[in-house]
Amino acid sequence: DGGITQSPKYLFRKEGQNVTLSCEQNLNHDAMYWYRQDPGQGLRLIYYSQIVNDFQKGDIAEGYSVSREKKESFPLTVTSAQKNPTAFYLCASSTGTSDEQYFGPGTRLTVT
Amino acid sequence: AQSVTQPDIHITVSEGASLELRCNYSYGATPYLFWYVQSPGQGLQLLLKYFSGDTLVQGIKGFEAEFKRSQSSFNLRKPSVHWSDAAEYFCAVGARSGNTGKLIFGQGTTLQVKP
Repeated sequence: DGGITQSPKYLFRKEGQNVTLSCEQNLNHDAMYWYRQDPGQGLRLIYYSQIVNDFQKGDIAEGYSVSREKKESFPLTVTSAQKNPTAFYLCASSTGTSDEQYFGPGTRLTVT
Repeated sequence: AQSVTQPDIHITVSEGASLELRCNYSYGATPYLFWYVQSPGQGLQLLLKYFSGDTLVQGIKGFEAEFKRSQSSFNLRKPSVHWSDAAEYFCAVGARSGNTGKLIFGQGTTLQVKP
């Protein structure tokens, strides 16, 4: 069954710690995306990658980092530099040619 | 700048009533247009999309949307709402050129369905 998986569903961390969110897809999509969702603010793009070993900053990249070493995987690290990391994080993928994006189930990160 | 506006943050309709969710966009050219639905704590599911051709687009779960170029709108409609339609709905636009695949999302409209 093709799709996108994100793990874990819930993540709790102490302030000052880095944390990595997993995103895996088996749709053979070239492009992958990370969004942050806060109540009333819709989805904001953090990073995106159109091809392996390449990625670009989105609108709110500060305090985040990514890697794209494999086509299937696009992990997101929330660093201690992110001022307000508590949010719902969504990963998506697409063929990369202006097609629709397919979304994973999301990870809710809580930092205290 | 490119933007998507969903004027209604929250809408309440009675079960069985008709529904229209508004979406307006600001874009330099005709974009690709999408409607997604999100249940609480879940990812987004594509309802329908407009790329070209017929401006009335049919989607899943009985939804349809109409692209109106003159009004820069892509409103979502359903003739009869079911209680299971209660969710958050997002309109999104994508570029026809550049092939980045990036989408710009509206802020979302939360739909509540009264029994």
